[in-house]
Amino acid sequence: DAKTTQPNSMESNEEEPVHLPCNHSTISGTDYIHWYRQLPSQGPEYVIHGLTSNVNNRMASLAIAEDRKSSTLILHRATLRDAAVYYCILAGLNTGTASKLTFGTGTRLQVTL
Amino acid sequence: NAGVMQNPRHLVRRRGQEARLRCSPMKGHSHVYWYRQLPEEGLKFMVYLQKENIIDESGMPKERFSAEFPKEGPSILRIQQVVRGDSAAYFCASSPAGGFVSPLHFGNGTRLTVT
Repeated sequence: DAKTTQPNSMESNEEEPVHLPCNHSTISGTDYIHWYRQLPSQGPEYVIHGLTSNVNNRMASLAIAEDRKSSTLILHRATLRDAAVYYCILAGLNTGTASKLTFGTGTRLQVTL
Repeated sequence: NAGVMQNPRHLVRRRGQEARLRCSPMKGHSHVYWYRQLPEEGLKFMVYLQKENIIDESGMPKERFSAEFPKEGPSILRIQQVVRGDSAAYFCASSPAGGFVSPLHFGNGTRLTVT
């Protein structure tokens, strides 16, 4: 199965941009890159996903490297409510995960005043 | 449009009792996924169902656990003869289609405590 590698934790100051990296060197051509986050005591929440092109939505931006072996989730202005565990997940026909999303350990983001 | 509803939010059972966890997917969603999160651990996939059919149960323990998603009504995750190791948060997610082109929408979970 294609795997992702993320830093265990990151810190950010409030109101500053945050760049959360994810390495996925064994990604296949049909794998989508998904990002979810889990706030304390809540279920995971979808953030964004993409295949090849960079993506923007109201929550974040997703920058995908040209070779697709890495990606970066960008929170443009972190707030205290963005403190969560962020998961980078590959899902596609060739990952063996066509029927499920496999969550790793993610990156725990701390946001301070 | 209401989100994924799970109930109860908290459930306490004694060892040996049965636990029934309910999940009502979002309106129009026919795909349901169950995940378990043990204390201080990550989310582990359990089972994927699509109306009346189990598509993938590769993460489900072979004994005591079962899941269903009937034509009418919520999806049910049933744990028979619970043990302390079953204490965890159980999350349900739904989507309108498989293949993850559409994102999964998660509920806020049922926290099961076995005493």
